[in-house]
Amino acid sequence: EAQVTQNPRYLITVTGKKLTVTCSQNMNHEYMSWYRQDPGLGLRQIYYSMNVEVTDKGDVPEGYKVSRKEKRNFPLILESPSPNQTSLYFCASSLDRWGEGNEQFFGPGTRLTVL
Amino acid sequence: GQQVMQIPQYQHVQEGEDFTTYCNSSTTLSNIQWYKQRPGGHPVFLIQLVKSGEVKKQKRLTFQFGEAKKNSSLHITATQTTDVGTYFCAGLPRGGATNKLIFGTGTLLAVQP
Repeated sequence: EAQVTQNPRYLITVTGKKLTVTCSQNMNHEYMSWYRQDPGLGLRQIYYSMNVEVTDKGDVPEGYKVSRKEKRNFPLILESPSPNQTSLYFCASSLDRWGEGNEQFFGPGTRLTVL
Repeated sequence: GQQVMQIPQYQHVQEGEDFTTYCNSSTTLSNIQWYKQRPGGHPVFLIQLVKSGEVKKQKRLTFQFGEAKKNSSLHITATQTTDVGTYFCAGLPRGGATNKLIFGTGTLLAVQP
């Protein structure tokens, strides 16, 4: 089944404790992206990747890191989480450059709480 | 910066009533996509519009892209309880940082049976 998976689905952590949210897609998609969703703010792009070893900042990259060592995986790293990073996070992938007939496939989401 | 606003933020309708959400961009868009997110779920792609003035239909849903390619709308005819969820538009700005897809703030639709 074609899908985007994220782990963990739920995470409660404390300020400053490094964490990684994994994202994997099995569709051989080139483009991958991380979003955070907050009430009233919609989906905001954190980082995106156009291919292996190619990543770039989205609109809200502060406090986050990503890597794209393999095509299928795009982990999101919070080196020192803070309470303002409490949010719902979505990973997404698309076959090619988004907005050109290429829908984004979203993962199920990771609800992160930073105390 | 580039923004995509949606109105209304929230709409409550009786089942059978129509519903419309509007998406307005501060910049000209190359194209626009629409997504639906059910409560507790993840966004799911509905459609993409590319051409100026384009209109597309999916059963009871009608999507429009403005002539200036800066606004779009989604209209649902005779809503059903299965239409409940948040509807997002997502636009790809023309020129500039063209790899950044900008999502609207979303419209939450509640349908009362």
